[in-house]
Amino acid sequence: GAGVSQSPRYKVAKRGQDVALRCDPISGHVSLFWYQQALGQGPEFLTYFQNEAQLDKSGLPSDRFFAERPEGSVSTLKIQRTQQEDSAVYLCASSLIQGTNTEAFFGQGTRLTVV
Amino acid sequence: DAKTTQPTSMDCAEGRAANLPCNHSTISGNEYVYWYRQIHSQGPQYIIHGLKNNETNEMASLIITEDRKSSTLILPHATLRDTAVYYCIVRVEYYTGKLIFGQGTTLQVKP
Repeated sequence: GAGVSQSPRYKVAKRGQDVALRCDPISGHVSLFWYQQALGQGPEFLTYFQNEAQLDKSGLPSDRFFAERPEGSVSTLKIQRTQQEDSAVYLCASSLIQGTNTEAFFGQGTRLTVV
Repeated sequence: DAKTTQPTSMDCAEGRAANLPCNHSTISGNEYVYWYRQIHSQGPQYIIHGLKNNETNEMASLIITEDRKSSTLILPHATLRDTAVYYCIVRVEYYTGKLIFGQGTTLQVKP
């Protein structure tokens, strides 16, 4: 594809509901990142994959958050028992290889609203 | 982690140069300075990065002071489409390459 694709673009969930957010990275990109962006704030790192391996999940706010990338391509961020403070835009980014000089390409994000 | 300090907001007249400053006084010798911007309702977009030399591409120029404690992003001829939040980021981890965003500078380009 032309860029990083995320779906759905918008999601409204009732408190306590489970949600799954999908990210299709750019084909061939090894690295994949998830970020959370609250209203009026900069994005905050959640987790990182290199191919199918989740190498860093230090930013996940609780054990209700789970991410996977089973075949090293598409990734899913799952949030269980959603709470109002989970309302945010969830951004996915991919880059070609790991390292300091690789440009990260971001998707448009999924806006999650928990009511 | 090296931290960055940016003004909260700036205005610029359309067609004029926009100069966005960033302080990163605790930057380490092997850390790069990256700039991303985020237009409303979109994901962040890479602009430019550098280590110690000045850099230029089709979007912008990056001027890094000799002591590397500060830098300036220059948009030479700002347009209304350049209105966005601009983030100055010091790359903190070679291994993962994750980005640590601050609050950024909201640049408003006015007609």
